[in-house]
Amino acid sequence: NAGVMQNPRHLVRRRGQEARLRCSPVKGHSHVYWYRQLPEEGLKFMVYLQKENIIDESGMPKERFSAEFPKEGPSILRIQQVVRGDSAAYFCASSPARDTQYFGPGTRLTVL
Amino acid sequence: GENVEQHPSTLSVQEGDSAVIKCTYSDSASNYFPWYKQELGKGPQLIIDIRSNVGEKKDQRIAVTLNKTAKHFSLHITETQPEDSAVYFCAASIIQGAQKLVFGQGTRLTINP
Repeated sequence: NAGVMQNPRHLVRRRGQEARLRCSPVKGHSHVYWYRQLPEEGLKFMVYLQKENIIDESGMPKERFSAEFPKEGPSILRIQQVVRGDSAAYFCASSPARDTQYFGPGTRLTVL
Repeated sequence: GENVEQHPSTLSVQEGDSAVIKCTYSDSASNYFPWYKQELGKGPQLIIDIRSNVGEKKDQRIAVTLNKTAKHFSLHITETQPEDSAVYFCAASIIQGAQKLVFGQGTRLTINP
């Protein structure tokens, strides 16, 4: 049984570039969540998606950030025009229903 | 919105002793309380969870207790081992509702041999 997969595991971008983070949920899970973790801090909720729908994006910055979970393929978290403050670990979690969330290994984004 | 406070931020115990981590939450509507273990460079791993219709749950050396009236819940690890060293996070959410997990700030647990 494959767990939640995220890629890339590490991503380096220069200020102003775009970052694309991918998340493949556990097979059969249709609910995906994205969280951000700053160094030495807890995880902060960003967005909750079901297939083709954004359910809750209350934790996601209004500008430069977007997320999608298409009918086919992985969920994508996109950050446009990255700034140094975007440097963090981004975690994806999935669940089969509105229930227990299982996390992936994360993508560590570094903005130079 | 929900706010979760976690204490202590660091905890050091001798191998074989017990460790207790405590969390309080603010939203009385929260009904699901998971605990995650995070090792360096890895994602959070679910170790135990409890729902508001029970007061205690055990899984081998790990137990969680919930006091709905006081709005606090605790993680208990008995007979600690070196591999228990990690950062532990509590969280709260509303199953079938808001769904998003609100995390505590984390506790860095160190087991001394």
